[in-house]
Formats: sequence, structure tokens, C-alpha cells
Amino acid sequence: DVKVTQSSRYLVKRTGEKVFLECVQDMDHENMFWYRQDPGLGLRLIYFSYDVKMKEKGDIPEGYSVSREKKERFSLILESASTNQTSMYLCASSPSRRLNTEAFFGQGTRLTVV
Amino acid sequence: AQTVTQSQPEMSVQEAETVTLSCTYDTSENNYYLFWYKQPPSRQMILVIRQEAYKQQNATENRFSVNFQKAAKSFSLKISDSQLGDTAMYFCAFGDNTGTASKLTFGTGTRLQVTL
Repeated sequence: DVKVTQSSRYLVKRTGEKVFLECVQDMDHENMFWYRQDPGLGLRLIYFSYDVKMKEKGDIPEGYSVSREKKERFSLILESASTNQTSMYLCASSPSRRLNTEAFFGQGTRLTVV
Repeated sequence: AQTVTQSQPEMSVQEAETVTLSCTYDTSENNYYLFWYKQPPSRQMILVIRQEAYKQQNATENRFSVNFQKAAKSFSLKISDSQLGDTAMYFCAFGDNTGTASKLTFGTGTRLQVTL
């Protein structure tokens, strides 16, 4: 079974802190994604990556950055956390650059910024 | 940019009945994929069904089927013989295969409650 693992299920951070959300997949997938999920807004794409060291902005990249130094790991970075970044964060991966198969999701990290 | 619209924030259905969740999307592309994902209270997002845009035949997976109307840009999900375990958030998603790599755009979701 494909496994996408997010490092934390729940996280509480203070305003202004630098926050790292880690995601690891074990199936040699090319594509990896970071979404945030908010009630009434669905899932919104923050960044995605189709190869090591490659990244592309999604629909809401402001306030976030990403890192993909190894194929299996995709990190989301909040440079200076703010309360409006309190949300559920979902990582996903898919086998190839072309979305002809499903994307697999982690269990999500619920981040609270106080 | 592609957009995906789910106009039903919440729906309720009785066990064993049939329910249809609606989804429309907007794109100028011809090569794309459409998906329905389910997110139960456990938060784990699971694929329900997938449809390739170039296929006219509607996809089916056991009790789940879609009505794909390409010209109308509509992609509804029908759940037959609803079960309590179908209670979840359902998200429609559009897979864009243009550009360097594909990205997945989601709708705002429909919360489905299956009742006894």
C-alpha cells in the first residue's frame, strides 16, 4: 500500500515562529502537493513539486515556501507563522507528472497558530 | 485557471436510498481527468472514482457511478444503496494535464449524512 506520512497530526505554534511541516511518501512518486483545507473553502493548493528541487506555486503560495531535497520528502515552511495560517494541511503524492492516476493523501496536520 | 463548483454544501440521505452529488467545472482544456474523493471523519482522503475526459462512457465502481456531461462540464456522483459508512465529506477534483506537471483542483465539498 502507498503510504504518505505527515510528521504531526496536531501542532500548536506561536505567532512569528518558523514552522516546518514534513511529508514523506514511500512509493517513489514524482508529484507531491501541499494543500490547506478550511471549512467552506475546500482544499486549496499551496505548492506542488514534480521533481527533486523543482517547485511550482499553487493558488495560495503567499506566506509559504517549500523544499524538496529528496524525492520522497516534501516540506512546507511557514517563514513567520500568523494566526490566519491556522488550518488543516494535507500532503499528497501521485506517481507521475501527469494526473492519470489517483493522488494519495496523508492524514493531515491540524495547525493552530496562537 | 480551472475552477470546480460544488453547489450543495450539505446533503442527507436515508440508508439504502440513492443520492446524487453535483459538480461543475470550468476549463478550456481538452485533456483532463475528474475525480471524486471521500473524506470520512478520520480525515483520510480516499479516491472514490475517476473519469478520463476523453472517455464517453461513465465510470462506475460498485455502488458509485458518475454522470459525466463533457459539453455541459458537469460531473455528478451517484451513490446507490447508501450505507452509514458513506457519511463523509465528498470532494470533486479536476486534474489539469497541461503545463510542466499536473495539478489537482478541488471544489468546496459536500457534507453527506446517511441516516437510519
